[in-house]
Amino acid sequence: AQKVTQAQTEISVVEKEDVTLDCVYETRDTTYYLFWYKQPPSGELVFLIRRNSFDEQNEISGRYSWNFQKSTSSFNFTITASQVVDSAVYFCALSELSGGSYIPTFGRGTSLIVHP
Amino acid sequence: DTGVSQNPRHKITKRGQNVTFRCDPISEHNRLYWYRQTLGQGPEFLTYFQNEAQLEKSRLLSDRFSAERPKGSFSTLEIQRTEQGDSAMYLCASSERFGYGYTFGSGTRLTVV
Repeated sequence: AQKVTQAQTEISVVEKEDVTLDCVYETRDTTYYLFWYKQPPSGELVFLIRRNSFDEQNEISGRYSWNFQKSTSSFNFTITASQVVDSAVYFCALSELSGGSYIPTFGRGTSLIVHP
Repeated sequence: DTGVSQNPRHKITKRGQNVTFRCDPISEHNRLYWYRQTLGQGPEFLTYFQNEAQLEKSRLLSDRFSAERPKGSFSTLEIQRTEQGDSAMYLCASSERFGYGYTFGSGTRLTVV
């Protein structure tokens, strides 16, 4: 079973539309960390946000916002007024204790295509 | 701080050859991770170092794969007797503390022909 599920394989929007990328995770730990990364066509993974399991406060950073809900094991990512430069693959990751270490496990990613 | 550096960026090798990749993490980061990413998939964990100690290895890391981190600085990942299935992007990441943001390098793209 996938520990991190990103059910949306590809999303296509027109510039200025809002878009939400879904992430559902599975863990038995009470302490864990969640992340979102962006992978543009250049290939390098870019860190966007980190959340620990004890902090359910939603976060907004410019056009980006994240909604963390432990009750549904979800950590969704919304881009407001999307732009062409937002086109990339976005990965959600879960870091939980494994053999004494916290190891990030990534979802399969959601490819976002923003058309002009 | 120049980020995480990986060399080479691209490697084409013939099946059966050995290859070695290098990762230079951010200098103050004592945790180092290797991942493999194939087309259309997310990064898959291979192995993890804390300083020079290799603390975790994935089942994906067959006996043809070996990783080292001498002196807790740079790390190398070697693949012996490469197979076509080894073709992938090999990513290295480092972090200062567990649970903190992981900084990734640009990766080494391996093509086995």
